[in-house]
Amino acid sequence: KAGVTQTPRYLIKTRGQQVTLSCSPISGHRSVSWYQQTPGQGLQFLFEYFSETQRNKGNFPGRFSGRQFSNSRSEMNVSTLELGDSALYLCASSLSGRGGQETQYFGPGTRLLVL
Amino acid sequence: EDKVVQSPLSLVVHEGDTVTLNCSYEVTNFRSLLWYKQEKKAPTFLFMLTSSGIEKKSGRLSSILDKKELFSILNITATQTGDSAVYLCAVYSTEAAGNKLTFGGGTRVLVKP
Repeated sequence: KAGVTQTPRYLIKTRGQQVTLSCSPISGHRSVSWYQQTPGQGLQFLFEYFSETQRNKGNFPGRFSGRQFSNSRSEMNVSTLELGDSALYLCASSLSGRGGQETQYFGPGTRLLVL
Repeated sequence: EDKVVQSPLSLVVHEGDTVTLNCSYEVTNFRSLLWYKQEKKAPTFLFMLTSSGIEKKSGRLSSILDKKELFSILNITATQTGDSAVYLCAVYSTEAAGNKLTFGGGTRVLVKP
C-alpha cells in the first residue's frame, strides 16, 4: 500500500505570495491532519479534516486554510506569506482519526522557504 | 493549553549504551500517547500507549505510560548508530471540535560508534 504523498517536496516563494500544498493520504484513510515543523517551535498542529469537513484547528492565523476533497486528498493554502512561514509542512493520515485510537502516518513533507 | 515536554533535549551515547527518554504532558481529554522517530524526513511511528503500566516492546525499544503521574518513558537498549535520530512524543486529545496531536519538542539522540 502506498504511503502518504505530498507535493511539491520543495518550494521557494517570496513574501506576500500565496502557496498551495497537496497531500494524498494512504488509500482508505479518511482523516488528514496538517502540521508545521520549525526549529524554534517544533511540530505544531494546523488542522484536521475528515469527510471534507474541518474537525479541529490549531492556533494559526486565518492566512492558513485548508480543504479536503471527496477522495480524501487534502490541500492547505497559505496566503500573504511571511518569512516566518518558512517551515516543513507535514501531512498525516489515519483511518478515521477516531479518538486517538489510531496511528497517524506521516508523509515526507513539503519544505517551504519564504524569501 | 495542552503541553508536552520532553527531556533531555539531547544526548550523546556510545554504541551498546542504554538510553531513557522522558515525556511529561498536561492535556485535557487525554486519549493516547505516541512515540515517533524522526531522521531527516517524516516521523515514523514507534508506539501508541493508551493504558497505564503496560509496557510495549519492539526489539530493543520499549515504552511505558503512567497516566497517574502523566508521563511516559522510551527506552532503547544496546544502542546502534542507526538509532541516531530525534525522538518525538505526542499526545492525542479530543476536544469538542475534534481531535489533535500535540507534540513535544523532541529529544535528539546521537549514538557514536
